[in-house]
Amino acid sequence: AQTVTQSQPEMSVQEAETVTLSCTYDTSESDYYLFWYKQPPSRQMILVIRQEAYKQQNATENRFSVNFQKAAKSFSLKISDSQLGDAAMYFCAYRSAVRGATNKLIFGTGTLLAVQP
Amino acid sequence: DVKVTQSSRYLVKRTGEKVFLECVQDMDHENMFWYRQDPGLGLRLIYFSYDVKMKEKGDIPEGYSVSREKKERFSLILESASTNQTSMYLCASSLGGPGTEAFFGQGTRLTVV
Repeated sequence: AQTVTQSQPEMSVQEAETVTLSCTYDTSESDYYLFWYKQPPSRQMILVIRQEAYKQQNATENRFSVNFQKAAKSFSLKISDSQLGDAAMYFCAYRSAVRGATNKLIFGTGTLLAVQP
Repeated sequence: DVKVTQSSRYLVKRTGEKVFLECVQDMDHENMFWYRQDPGLGLRLIYFSYDVKMKEKGDIPEGYSVSREKKERFSLILESASTNQTSMYLCASSLGGPGTEAFFGQGTRLTVV
């Protein structure tokens, strides 16, 4: 079974600085997707960024980028130029892309990010 | 905009009651999910459905059942509510592909007393 681990329950960053959130996962599959989701204090979860395992290039969305290390099964999220609105719980998630596999979306335990003004 | 709507933001029920949590999505998504969110445990999958009347157990299905009679609606049922089912419940939906984005509802904070 696949698992997702986020070892940092809480992180803090100064406004305008850069922060990296860690995520590791365990799987025997070769084809899958990885995601970072953000849950602001209002609770509605939204997608931040996604990465397909077959793509070597790291995904980037504006100030958000990932460092995807497939061999190490590591998928960290880097937030540059942190803003107060980035304060939220961040979840790493895994989804199999193997044909015939179920569409389960598996989440880690989350990292609570505080942004200091 | 995709909308996933959960019927209640806050719910208080008594031990032993049968509880229904409703979720409706308006984007014709094949997949729908029910998660439970607890501090330090993240999101744990209770059940998901990949088509009408089709369902699959997640990691913690005990004490829960689901119903999907129509594509847009996915209901979570607590057959006999217990205090250890006090939690935040999140519904989500997505298209069928593995790389597709999941859209979440606003959550239901259920307290069982």
